[in-house]
Amino acid sequence: KQEVTQIPAALSVPEGENLVLNCSFTDSAIYNLQWFRQDPGKGLTSLLLIQSSQREQTSGRLNASLDKSSGRSTLYIAASQPGDSATYLCAVDGANNLFFGTGTRLTVIP
Amino acid sequence: GAVVSQHPSRVICKSGTSVKIECRSLDFQATTMFWYRQFPKQSLMLMATSNEGSKATYEQGVEKDKFLINHASLTLSTLTVTSAHPEDSSFYICSAQARTGEVEKLFFGSGTQLSVL
Repeated sequence: KQEVTQIPAALSVPEGENLVLNCSFTDSAIYNLQWFRQDPGKGLTSLLLIQSSQREQTSGRLNASLDKSSGRSTLYIAASQPGDSATYLCAVDGANNLFFGTGTRLTVIP
Repeated sequence: GAVVSQHPSRVICKSGTSVKIECRSLDFQATTMFWYRQFPKQSLMLMATSNEGSKATYEQGVEKDKFLINHASLTLSTLTVTSAHPEDSSFYICSAQARTGEVEKLFFGSGTQLSVL
């Protein structure tokens, strides 16, 4: 069974810093990998979707990479802002099932 | 850890029929549950937020009369796809929110693959 791990579980950084969130998965047979953010009391907001044939995706200050062979993905956030404070989750799509990581709770300190 | 049970895992139905999907939090009370769907090769998208005892809040573009959500208890939310059509074929997944002290965590069901013929 696919297992998805996110490290660290929590992260605090001062405003303006660049940061990297990590996601690892055990089964490299995936269709795609998605990154989401969750704000307190809210549902998930989709950030980036990387198809299995892709290496990375970029959206604004966010860049996500995918290395299927090593079972890893990273989410890079440039020039962090207090509004980036949220929980970030990755999810691996493996044939009609989604496997979620446990999330990284990010706090950006003004 | 907290477990969310979602049933059925797969359903095939004829066009025009209604399908009910259940989402249960097994060992915790979930005041808020979320319903999502994912079309092939697309991102998971939030459909609606369900709060126990009140009407669900639907995201823009999601028809509330077509996707009926009932959250009658703190451990059960249901999504009914009414008069399903082939374009409703999708992967539906629920999540339940648990609070431990100041920390909120989301726990996910295993998803339902709906195929409408």
